[in-house]
Amino acid sequence: NAGVTQTPKFQVLKTGQSMTLQCAQDMNHEYMSWYRQDPGMGLRLIHYSVGAGITDQGEVPNGYNVSRSTTEDFPLRLLSAAPSQTSVYFCASSYSSDLSSYEQYFGPGTRLTVT
Amino acid sequence: GENVEQHPSTLSVQEGDSAVIKCTYSDSASNYFPWYKQELGKRPQLIIDIRSNVGEKKDQRIAVTLNKTAKHFSLHITETQPEDSAVYFCAATSTTDSWGKFQFGAGTQVVVTP
Repeated sequence: NAGVTQTPKFQVLKTGQSMTLQCAQDMNHEYMSWYRQDPGMGLRLIHYSVGAGITDQGEVPNGYNVSRSTTEDFPLRLLSAAPSQTSVYFCASSYSSDLSSYEQYFGPGTRLTVT
Repeated sequence: GENVEQHPSTLSVQEGDSAVIKCTYSDSASNYFPWYKQELGKRPQLIIDIRSNVGEKKDQRIAVTLNKTAKHFSLHITETQPEDSAVYFCAATSTTDSWGKFQFGAGTQVVVTP
């Protein structure tokens, strides 16, 4: 049971480049989400999904796209990278229908630098 | 939407003393309030959570209290130890209305000095 995995761990992009951050979980969790973490600003929700085929915007969705074609995977796409997207990105998952626990399990994070 | 404010931003305590972190939220529909601990370079991990039908919850040296009327909740750590040094985040969401839209506080850096 690997939990929540993210790839890559580190990435450097040039302004204007696009890329996809990968996130996968093997716990059969319905809920998955993407956060960015910047110093002094906590964790800010980018996009989330409550099940395959269902996604919604969080607090800071601009410049990012997501899709959820399977329960296991929730990739985050940067369409045209900007220096303001330099951050640490965390993926998380949890049960959404298990009334005993709403605990979110976080992946190890991806450190992205945009030059 | 929900807005969560967390105070203080940094907290220094002597080993053995207590630490208290406070969060306020704005959306009265929020009914689930988790606390996460993040050690340097690591991922956030849940340490305790509380639902709106409970006023207090304890787990060994940590406890969380909730005041729904005032819309604030607090994390209490007693008998602090050096391994309690970390950044702590509070969060709020509604499990019924727009489930999954978590709002996190900005975090509190806790430093426990021996």
